[in-house]
Amino acid sequence: TQLLEQSPQFLSIQEGENLTVYCNSSSVFSSLQWYRQEPGEGPVLLVTVVTGGEVKKLKRLTFQFGDARKDSSLHITAAQPGDTGLYLCAGTYNQGGKLIFGQGTELSVKP
Amino acid sequence: NAGVTQTPKFRILKIGQSMTLQCTQDMNHNYMYWYRQDPGMGLKLIYYSVGAGITDKGEVPNGYNVSRSTTEDFPLRLELAAPSQTSVYFCASSYPTETSPYEQYFGPGTRLTVT
Repeated sequence: TQLLEQSPQFLSIQEGENLTVYCNSSSVFSSLQWYRQEPGEGPVLLVTVVTGGEVKKLKRLTFQFGDARKDSSLHITAAQPGDTGLYLCAGTYNQGGKLIFGQGTELSVKP
Repeated sequence: NAGVTQTPKFRILKIGQSMTLQCTQDMNHNYMYWYRQDPGMGLKLIYYSVGAGITDKGEVPNGYNVSRSTTEDFPLRLELAAPSQTSVYFCASSYPTETSPYEQYFGPGTRLTVT
């Protein structure tokens, strides 16, 4: 069974601080996605990484896929209250587009 | 485009009752999925479909059934509701392409409580 472990599960920081969320597995994934979810809504895709070692940037967010395609990280620079939400990593490992989700990281950024 | 729509938004069921959660997408996506989300557990795949007339089990299919008679609709049926099925249910759809092979679009969810 493929598993994705996310850490930390909860993170409460002050506006302007930096943070990193990790997503780890013992399995190799063909791609890995990061989603953001706000209360009462469904997850929304932030980024997909498919190549080992790949780094993608989305404004203040930096996503990295591990060389062995077993892990990923999300780094937020100078966090803003608007970054508050649940961040989910999800990996694809076979056809059919099925995703395996991590448990999520609940981020709270206080002004 | 409305995207993925789900009804109802909230529902309270008594143990043993049955209900159908509705999901419709207007993006002509061939792949559709049902997930449940429990606190601290991420999303777990219940059932999925790669096209009309084709469905398959995900990680946690017990207690649920699905059908896919059209491209647009993918209803989820609970036959004998149990407290363990209290959760938030999300429907999603996707259309794998070369540039976006894995992106899934999610509906707003249905919050179900079984008492």
